[in-house]
Amino acid sequence: ELKVEQNPLFLSMQEGKNYTIYCNYSTTSDRLYWYRQDPGKSLESLFVLLSNGAVKQEGRLMASLDTKARLSTLHITAAVHDLSATYFCAVDTTQGGSEKLVFGKGTKLTVNP
Amino acid sequence: GAGVSQSPRYKVTKRGQDVALRCDPISGHVSLYWYRQALGQGPEFLTYFNYEAQQDKSGLPNDRFSAERPEGSISTLTIQRTEQRDSAMYRCASSRYAGDQPQHFGDGTRLSIL
Repeated sequence: ELKVEQNPLFLSMQEGKNYTIYCNYSTTSDRLYWYRQDPGKSLESLFVLLSNGAVKQEGRLMASLDTKARLSTLHITAAVHDLSATYFCAVDTTQGGSEKLVFGKGTKLTVNP
Repeated sequence: GAGVSQSPRYKVTKRGQDVALRCDPISGHVSLYWYRQALGQGPEFLTYFNYEAQQDKSGLPNDRFSAERPEGSISTLTIQRTEQRDSAMYRCASSRYAGDQPQHFGDGTRLSIL
């Protein structure tokens, strides 16, 4: 059974600081997704990582995937308050397609002024 | 439509009643997924359709839960003889097709069983 673990689960940081969220998973997969969820809202797709060594960047967020280590990271650069949200990684358990996603428990990020 | 639409947004019902939750995916999206999200947790997979075919229902908790997508567009998740443990946020997602595509989530239906 695929397990997805994120850490930390809670992260409080100051504006302007850098930090990394980690996502480990237990079985082979080469498709990993990052989502953002604001309180009371739906999930918004941030990144789709489809191969070993994939790196995607959008603004102050950068995601990477190491399939050999079964590890993805979400790096936050010079955090701003608007980045406060819960971030989920999700791993595709099937060969050949986005079907059954297994989500981590999420990392609740709070960026303080 | 512009996004995945779910209805109702909130449903409160008494234990033992049946409920039907509706999902209208993004126009043209072939794949449709149902998830359940408990408070403070990530979504948990329930079932998945390609067009009208239910490809995987391994996440449905028991036989009180069923889903259909008869014309390959709108889907209904039905829970029969509801129990308090069924209370959760039920989310629908769709993707252009099953493969290398992100799933786009709806706002969900908050189900409360009294």
